[in-house]
Amino acid sequence: GAGVSQSPRYKVAKRGQDVALRCDPISGHVSLFWYQQALGQGPEFLTYFQNEAQLDKSGLPSDRFFAERPEGSVSTLKIQRTQQEDSAVYLCASSPRGSWGRRTVSYEQYFGPGTRLTVT
Amino acid sequence: DAKTTQPNSMESNEEEPVHLPCNHSTISGTDYIHWYRQLPSQGPEYVIHGLTSNVNNRMASLAIAEDRKSSTLILHRATLRDAAVYYCILRDDTGTASKLTFGTGTRLQVTL
Repeated sequence: GAGVSQSPRYKVAKRGQDVALRCDPISGHVSLFWYQQALGQGPEFLTYFQNEAQLDKSGLPSDRFFAERPEGSVSTLKIQRTQQEDSAVYLCASSPRGSWGRRTVSYEQYFGPGTRLTVT
Repeated sequence: DAKTTQPNSMESNEEEPVHLPCNHSTISGTDYIHWYRQLPSQGPEYVIHGLTSNVNNRMASLAIAEDRKSSTLILHRATLRDAAVYYCILRDDTGTASKLTFGTGTRLQVTL
């Protein structure tokens, strides 16, 4: 199908390693979100892109976390010097519309299957 | 973001209706009520959303109280495939970022 895809699905990293997680949103979707989901918890917002612009990165837990979407389609979430507390499922979601001025047009978000990161 | 309160878990028999409650007493006038569900080992999936009036779609119905301080997601005939965590989320759709703020949701178990 033409849903949101994420790769890799599983990643094991040793503490201190850098990792890069990829998200392929649904073609044509303007908005892209990253969420982090710890075991037994609901997803928590990390960052939001509208096209290539990162409009909100308030949820990134530290400066070790960095996200980009240079051409307004594929996005990469990079975590530098991974720590055990970074172990979680990282979810990507896309949405067909974004914001114009002070008004947001509300559309549902389509989530990928997530990348499960385990830091040992 | 205004907070929602949901029961931690619920059980249902297959082919019976399920009513999943959500309290949101601090909801503001611009908050939409969204429901997502998350099946095991999958990302969340949109179910339904509404503002004031009751809403129906192929997956479920959403009943919204007149004062908007509570809502109920209704699955008309639960199946084993409906076993999931259901999240009730309020979202102010007039902001510049339409992020979703998840709680811990209600884990629905469906039995034969």
